Amino acid sequence: ETGVTQTPRHLVMGMTNKKSLKCEQHLGHNAMYWYKQSAKKPLELMFVYNFKEQTENNSVPSRFSPECPNSSHLFLHLHTLQPEDSALYLCASSHDGSGNTIYFGEGSWLTVV
Amino acid sequence: KNEVEQSPQNLTAQEGEFITINCSYSVGISALHWLQQHPGGGIVSLFMLSSGKKKHGRLIATINIQEKHSSLHITASHPRDSAVYICAVLMDSNYQLIWGAGTKLIIKP
Repeated sequence: ETGVTQTPRHLVMGMTNKKSLKCEQHLGHNAMYWYKQSAKKPLELMFVYNFKEQTENNSVPSRFSPECPNSSHLFLHLHTLQPEDSALYLCASSHDGSGNTIYFGEGSWLTVV
Repeated sequence: KNEVEQSPQNLTAQEGEFITINCSYSVGISALHWLQQHPGGGIVSLFMLSSGKKKHGRLIATINIQEKHSSLHITASHPRDSAVYICAVLMDSNYQLIWGAGTKLIIKP
């Protein structure tokens, strides 16, 4: 138990669906992250929120839309995804965005059919 | 060439063996992370170090800043150590994390 909880753990969606991934952290951290992990590739940083403000958007397609309503919750809204978007999506948090130890959730396995 | 290179990519060993996983990087860093990812997907931070050596149980991490190299060692390896071990460096210029591709370790009983 890392203190970062992701739901759902597994998601299968069609290319025309709209779904959301949810992340919640109980660590009192101020920075939260979404990462994408594809097979045999390094983790790819997608979004960073620091004190609820988005500070990083690594050229992520607009079909991925993050939302950070407060410093404990982070969402990733998904719509009109492509099969190549199938991957493990990992949420993480840290005390702030300056590189302290990062705590990861268990990840959400996404399959786009 | 990736900014963070790990070797080997895959490693299979017998229970009890001493394991070494290497990480080399080419950028200026302020810290280096070693993390462990189990087959279920969850990632656990093992070490964050900026100099010298750290030890936790059977795990030892070392870093040589001049040579831009770090190693993760596992003593008396056990099948439960089977996982992907990931190295990530924190760039000193912008605090971005650059990730290695991971080393898949299998320990056979």
